Amino acid sequence: GIQVEQSPPDLILQEGANSTLRCNFSDSVNNLQWFHQNPWGQLINLFYIPSGTKQNGRLSATTVATERYSLLYISSSQTTDSGVYFCAVFPTSGTYKYIFGTGTRLKVLA
Amino acid sequence: ETGVTQSPTHLIKTRGQQVTLRCSSQSGHNTVSWYQQALGQGPQFIFQYYREEENGRGNFPPRFSGLQFPNYSSELNVNALELDDSALYLCASSGRSEQYFGPGTRLTVT
Repeated sequence: GIQVEQSPPDLILQEGANSTLRCNFSDSVNNLQWFHQNPWGQLINLFYIPSGTKQNGRLSATTVATERYSLLYISSSQTTDSGVYFCAVFPTSGTYKYIFGTGTRLKVLA
Repeated sequence: ETGVTQSPTHLIKTRGQQVTLRCSSQSGHNTVSWYQQALGQGPQFIFQYYREEENGRGNFPPRFSGLQFPNYSSELNVNALELDDSALYLCASSGRSEQYFGPGTRLTVT
């Protein structure tokens, strides 16, 4: 089955720093989403981005489907950005399920 | 527009018991998916329901079963609970592609 790897696994930043999170997937996908999981477990939608580039405030994302990766950029990080970031892909193989990546745990220090 | 809701928030059960978790999908969404998230891991797909029929299942035993109702709300039932079933159970609803998650039910099996 498809493998979804995220890097780095852990990241510690000072408030105000910028970061790039990466999601690599081993097979073609129809859909890709980025989520932020807060300390209470809620998965918050960041981007639905099967291809191309999107921006939302301090966050932006780029997916290059032909090269099987996606990037999430966080600029001017804030302590509220702390948590775990997941990418999830929907394989083209039609398994009717999202496969989640391994996650990046981000801690932003004040 | 009402988001995805789940009940109960927390639950403690004893090994061997049965449990039912509930999910109300977001308005206009006809597809519900269930995920299990063990501590420190990413969500794992359990199954998906579309118009009251199961149309995809992950690597979970038959004691994990579900239902979807005409209003697209859904239940997850787990029989013969085991200690390893302790996890956060997440429900997601979708219309065409993008999934939206509920706050989850945290199940503890003792």
